Amino acid sequence: AQKITQTQPGMFVQEKEAVTLDCTYDTSDQSYGLFWYKQPSSGEMIFLIYQGSYDEQNATEGRYSLNFQKARKSANLVISASQLGDSAMYFCAMRDLDTGNQFYFGTGTSLTVIP
Amino acid sequence: NAGVTQTPKFRILKIGQSMTLQCAQDMNHNYMYWYRQDPGMGLKLIYYSVGAGITDKGEVPNGYNVSRSTTEDFPLRLELAAPSQTSVYFCASSIRSGLAAGEQYFGPGTRLTVT
Repeated sequence: AQKITQTQPGMFVQEKEAVTLDCTYDTSDQSYGLFWYKQPSSGEMIFLIYQGSYDEQNATEGRYSLNFQKARKSANLVISASQLGDSAMYFCAMRDLDTGNQFYFGTGTSLTVIP
Repeated sequence: NAGVTQTPKFRILKIGQSMTLQCAQDMNHNYMYWYRQDPGMGLKLIYYSVGAGITDKGEVPNGYNVSRSTTEDFPLRLELAAPSQTSVYFCASSIRSGLAAGEQYFGPGTRLTVT
């Protein structure tokens, strides 16, 4: 079964607008972590933001915020004030902390920022 | 800190040849991982290790082998290369996470072509 689902293969956003990238997850662990990574066309994987399953507040890192809805098992990434440099692939990932500590990645969303 | 380093950056193999992809990290991380990323796709876990001397299979281990004799190094061996192994290979490391983030740090990747 898919642990991480990203249903938007491609997204477009106007420069300076906000955009939400969707991510839903599946786990029976009580303790888990949710991550977002950015992969620009140069290929490297860049860690953006983290949300722990016990965190009550949504995580924020600069222009990135994670909209965590535990009951719905969703962990959407919100990018505010989009910039041209935000054009990249974005991957959602989960780490089960009770069982194995493995990471599970989604298939990614390609974001294009339009000037 | 150099972080996670991978060598080589690029390699072309003939069908049936073997090679070792090198990965090293200098952050004293217990956990290390090998992923492959096919064009336009997400990351698939090949093998991972939770510490020196301990390795385990991921989602797509066939055709690969690993060893972990030290905390720092986690080489990936390809035996009898096949065209289906053409991919970009990423090595990553992380701490063992409790409730802290424990995000993965990725190497720059090795682009492998098998012809």
